Amino acid sequence: GQNIDQPTEMTATEGAIVQINCTYQTSGFNGLFWYQQHAGEAPTFLSYNVLDGLEEKGRFSSFLSRSKGYSYLLLKELQMKDSASYLCAVRVFKAAGNKLTFGGGTRVLVKP
Amino acid sequence: DARVTQTPRHKVTEMGQEVTMRCQPILGHNTVFWYRQTMMQGLELLAYFRNRAPLDDSGMPKDRFSAEMPDATLATLKIQPSEPRDSAVYFCASGLRRSQSDTDTQYFGPGTRLTVL
Repeated sequence: GQNIDQPTEMTATEGAIVQINCTYQTSGFNGLFWYQQHAGEAPTFLSYNVLDGLEEKGRFSSFLSRSKGYSYLLLKELQMKDSASYLCAVRVFKAAGNKLTFGGGTRVLVKP
Repeated sequence: DARVTQTPRHKVTEMGQEVTMRCQPILGHNTVFWYRQTMMQGLELLAYFRNRAPLDDSGMPKDRFSAEMPDATLATLKIQPSEPRDSAVYFCASGLRRSQSDTDTQYFGPGTRLTVL
């Protein structure tokens, strides 16, 4: 099976930077996704990494190291609306098709 | 603005009753996923389909749950009989996968919040 670990909760100040780490152990790795989920809402797609390195999208960046089984999501210039849970999800290749396994999520609280 | 739709958004029912949840994937998408989310277990995959064919339903309790895609625009998840432990938010997601190189990003619907009394 897959084992995905991320911190349960993080607190940061508006305007600051927060880095959310995700470590995973899996076979058949075929990509890593980050999703944002506000309370009571659906997860929304943020980023995708399949090769090592950094992917930047505005204030959000995601990094992947496949050899270390490690990814992080970097949120810059934090805004109050960034208060949400951030879910790391690993895709595993299977003959019948790919599946996503989600971590438990990291709740980020942005304070003024 | 293409999005996944789900009905009903909320459902309260009594133990033993049948529950049917519906999902309309984004037009043109060929993969559909059903997830269940609870505080204790997080987001768990129940079943998924590609081109309407079920590929994996190993996450689904087969004795009471069933998932189908009667056509490309409708996916259903049925629980019969329902139990209090089925109370959760059920999400449907859809994606597009034509080849191994496709990202197949999953786009989630708003979810059905199910409460079984």
